[in-house]
Amino acid sequence: DTEVTQTPKHLVMGMTNKKSLKCEQHMGHRAMYWYKQKAKKPPELMFVYSYEKLSINESVPSRFSPECPNSSLLNLHLHALQPEDSALYLCASSPRQAVNEKLFFGSGTQLSVL
Amino acid sequence: TQLLEQSPQFLSIQEGENLTVYCNSSSVFSSLQWYRQEPGEGPVLLVTVVTGGEVKKLKRLTFQFGDARKDSSLHITAAQPGDTGLYLCAGVTGTYKYIFGTGTRLKVLA
Repeated sequence: DTEVTQTPKHLVMGMTNKKSLKCEQHMGHRAMYWYKQKAKKPPELMFVYSYEKLSINESVPSRFSPECPNSSLLNLHLHALQPEDSALYLCASSPRQAVNEKLFFGSGTQLSVL
Repeated sequence: TQLLEQSPQFLSIQEGENLTVYCNSSSVFSSLQWYRQEPGEGPVLLVTVVTGGEVKKLKRLTFQFGDARKDSSLHITAAQPGDTGLYLCAGVTGTYKYIFGTGTRLKVLA
């Protein structure tokens, strides 16, 4: 299995809603990432988990809350989002704690905040 | 802030033409990766270049890493409609630190 699976594929939420994005990989990768990609822009790093511990938080607003319950699963909890948070949210994983590793991306969750 | 500028931003060409995409920065990277992304999908890695001056070939695609490890280029020979997509370079600055370039949208017309 060489896939990173993200659910849901599409999500529409109001500004008062609470929702969660889910990401799974069964490749034994020990680093997992959340990226945000606005339309026609490159992906921007949000969070990195390494060995289930938060390694990088790129000054992301607290309305985004990541969670890594185990080595295969990564969640992104969303609360009180703004319309400008509408974007494609990409999850990625990489094998080890090493430089130059290949990133394996999921297909993303297209989020619309109304 | 480290920036990776890609040029051109958009490119629309006929099948069979050659093209080159550039990825430039003022920062030095430990390596440079190239990804291709199709609509509604995540990016897929094409290549990683590590050594300054390195050239790698992947069928009709040729990738080069600048001598100073600040820039890279992607050359496609005899482009095909299947090459259509968003091409992203990514500079690797350290463990987990992948900085994506501004992107080049390529459309190859049959």
